[in-house]
Amino acid sequence: DIQMTQSPSSLSASVGDRVTITCQANQDIGNYLNWYQQKPGKAPKLLIYDASTLETGVPSRFSGSGSGTHFAFIISSLQPEDIATYYCQQYEGTFGGGTKVEIK
Amino acid sequence: QVQLVQSGAEVKKPGASVKVSCKASRYIFTTSDINWVRQATGQGLEWMGWMNPYSGNTGYAQKFQGRLTMTRDTSLSTAYMELTGLTSEDTAVYYCARGGPGDYWGQGTLVTVSS
Repeated sequence: DIQMTQSPSSLSASVGDRVTITCQANQDIGNYLNWYQQKPGKAPKLLIYDASTLETGVPSRFSGSGSGTHFAFIISSLQPEDIATYYCQQYEGTFGGGTKVEIK
Repeated sequence: QVQLVQSGAEVKKPGASVKVSCKASRYIFTTSDINWVRQATGQGLEWMGWMNPYSGNTGYAQKFQGRLTMTRDTSLSTAYMELTGLTSEDTAVYYCARGGPGDYWGQGTLVTVSS
């Protein structure tokens, strides 16, 4: 199985800050990379697929980039409702370990 | 609105098996893969495998090979996930999700393994 390494495991930022999460695959996965948001007690919510395509209805402050083995997920201006854990996932495959985002 | 409705919570003894169902509605069941993902309390998401409901083809994470089986009943638009040889480490919430990018998810099924 392909391994996905996500960092950091947690971060604390202020409202309005730019937040960046990275995800690295141990082999080339092209652009087959998804990003999810999960809030406590809820199922994950798809935010981005194909590394950079925003799912319908997702705010434009969320974005993704990368291909091959290195990927990034950005929140351009952190909002209070963005407090959650974020996961990368190889298409129909392994998840990264998650990044817990908190407000400073 | 697409819906995936899962079966209810289960309590199992070590060594037993569990079968969780995922009923799909408001889309054509055979047009999208079903993935299964689990999450132990306070832990991250763990991908278990995928199934193509049209062909029945499956792909399982290496960790679950030999004790995981995914099946479907297309007449009921329902996918099933069966896990055998349960241990306490299998205690988790199990989710089904539609497609490779999981755009819709079931509500989750808590499986508790305890003697």
